Parts: sequence; C-alpha cells; structure tokens
Amino acid sequence: GESVGLHLPTLSVQEGDNSIINCAYSNSASDYFIWYKQESGKGPQFIIDIRSNMDKRQGQRVTVLLNKTVKHLSLQIAATQPGDSAVYFCAENTAGNKLTFGGGTRVLVKP
Amino acid sequence: GAVVSQHPSWVICKSGTSVKIECRSLDFQATTMFWYRQFPKQSLMLMATSNEGSKATYEQGVEKDKFLINHASLTLSTLTVTSAHPEDSSFYICSARDPRRGLLETQYFGPGTRLLVL
Repeated sequence: GESVGLHLPTLSVQEGDNSIINCAYSNSASDYFIWYKQESGKGPQFIIDIRSNMDKRQGQRVTVLLNKTVKHLSLQIAATQPGDSAVYFCAENTAGNKLTFGGGTRVLVKP
Repeated sequence: GAVVSQHPSWVICKSGTSVKIECRSLDFQATTMFWYRQFPKQSLMLMATSNEGSKATYEQGVEKDKFLINHASLTLSTLTVTSAHPEDSSFYICSARDPRRGLLETQYFGPGTRLLVL
C-alpha cells in the first residue's frame, strides 16, 4: 500500500511465507515501472522492473504484476527471508524520464 | 548492475556553512544524474536533474541558489547545500542512468549522504 505523511504501512510476514506489496500509481502515461528495496541508512536497490506493454515479469523469487486498467502495481516475494526486511518503493517513469516514487511499504520478516 | 558512489556518507555541520556532496559513477559514464532528498519515514523526492556540461534542471519548489549542482564530468556530479540550516538535515541520494542500457532503464542509486545541520 501507499503511505501519506510520516506513516509507513508495514507488512509483517512469517519467514518462508509469500509477501505481496501493492502500489497505486498516478500517471496513466507512465511507461516503465521499477521496484526498489531500501535498507536502513542505504540507497535504494533495484529489484525488478516492468515496461507498460507487459503485465507480468518474474525474477528470482520476485514477481511484478502490472494492471494498467486500475493503475496498480504489485511485488510478490516468494519464500520471504529475514534479509528481505526493508522498505520497498515502487517508482514510475514519467515525462522527461524522471522517476516518481510511491510512499513505500515496510516489510518485517518474523523468524 | 552499475555502481554509483557518494562521498561523504555522513556529515555534520554548523548552521550557515556550506556542504558539498559528491556523486560518482564508477564503471560507466553518466550524462545525466539525479539528486533526491529523503526525510525520515518518507519517500524519495526528486530535487534536480544534473546534466553533464549544462545547467541542472530543478524541480518545482527546490531553490537553485541554495542547492548548487555541478556536473563537470561524465562521472561526477556535486551537490552543494549553501548556508545550510537545520531544516536541510536529510538523507541526500544521487542516482545515474547507464546510457549503455538505453533511456528506459533503471536508475542506479548511490548509498546516500546523511546531513545533519546543528
């Protein structure tokens, strides 16, 4: 989900379970979307991307789904591990090849 | 993926002083770099786009005279926070696109610089 202001939504997940993080984007003209992972005190780390002419893309343990009809993006993490604990941001590529970031979701993996 | 570094990783300064932050692309030449600011528990907000050999393009609401950007080479962009004040305390992150991978490719981010203004 998205956050407003100083509150980051948190997803608590048991180690080994699957995680689903959702993101709503705003610009129907956006042509490229990326998911980033950010650990505390570090810069965002690329996870997976998808172009607007696709609706699904899979990577290693991660899958991104794109629904352009409702302007929704999701990230699925299979078999979530403690190292997956971080804040996850979706980003959309907008006019001028700039990235606009969503509010972020914190994922906490419980052992 | 491509590597982007930042220096320093953290800096503490007195109010009224200026601070320079460097962003380097280590294994590729970046004609375009981006500067973001991130406050605690918030998302990244684009401040400006740094273009090698030309003036930076600033986002609405970002003071160009306060946040000076210089992109003098294809591997280095600097952000100078002039006359810093406590409200400028934040996490500053740069990114760069690897031009070898085309326009519609992801930006690679630096590790960030935490600025604390006392």
